Amino acid sequence: QKEVEQDPGPLSVPEGAIVSLNCTYSNSAFQYFMWYRQYSRKGPELLMYTYSSGNKEDGRFTAQVDKSSKYISLFIRDSQPSDSATYLCAMTLGSNFGNEKLTFGTGTRLTIIP
Amino acid sequence: DAGVIQSPRHEVTEMGQEVTLRCKPISGHNSLFWYRQTMMRGLELLIYFNNNVPIDDSGMPEDRFSAKMPNASFSTLKIQPSEPRDSAVYFCASSLSNSGGTDTQYFGPGTRLTVL
Repeated sequence: QKEVEQDPGPLSVPEGAIVSLNCTYSNSAFQYFMWYRQYSRKGPELLMYTYSSGNKEDGRFTAQVDKSSKYISLFIRDSQPSDSATYLCAMTLGSNFGNEKLTFGTGTRLTIIP
Repeated sequence: DAGVIQSPRHEVTEMGQEVTLRCKPISGHNSLFWYRQTMMRGLELLIYFNNNVPIDDSGMPEDRFSAKMPNASFSTLKIQPSEPRDSAVYFCASSLSNSGGTDTQYFGPGTRLTVL
């Protein structure tokens, strides 16, 4: 069993819909939780990160962490065609994630239909 | 800033051949990471360096893989001999790591490797 599980999709939704992306994990020691966005033929780029449990909002994006359930979510409101990409969750044991291992989910491919 | 630079962008080779992937991190960054991405296994860390020193190579699949960082502005990942199961996209990432910091890892565009 992988440490981080993510539904690979693909997921297609109409423009303007709310999108929900999720990951589950098995290692309760994970402290920081990140979402990366990866456009086709590009490298991943950090979208947002959250420490421990709780919510974090950034514009149309909201990240949620439920450590008791080992479950994290990313919500996208008012989805746009430009949001079409693969979304990867990632986690670290410590806070210095510039200098430590990121454990990734396999990614969910999202398509927003105009 | 040019970002992380990787070369070549695409590599097609035959089984048994040596493959060398190259990476130039963002200037001033002191940590460098090599990842491999496949459909089945997703994005996996192979090895990472801090101040040119390998810190964790536990993700390197086997002795056929080796990585070097001779200076702060250059790193190589070598596969010798290559096998079809090595076909994947290989990413290099760099970051500026400091104690207590939360700086992100910046990824390059990747090298798409196909071993026939």
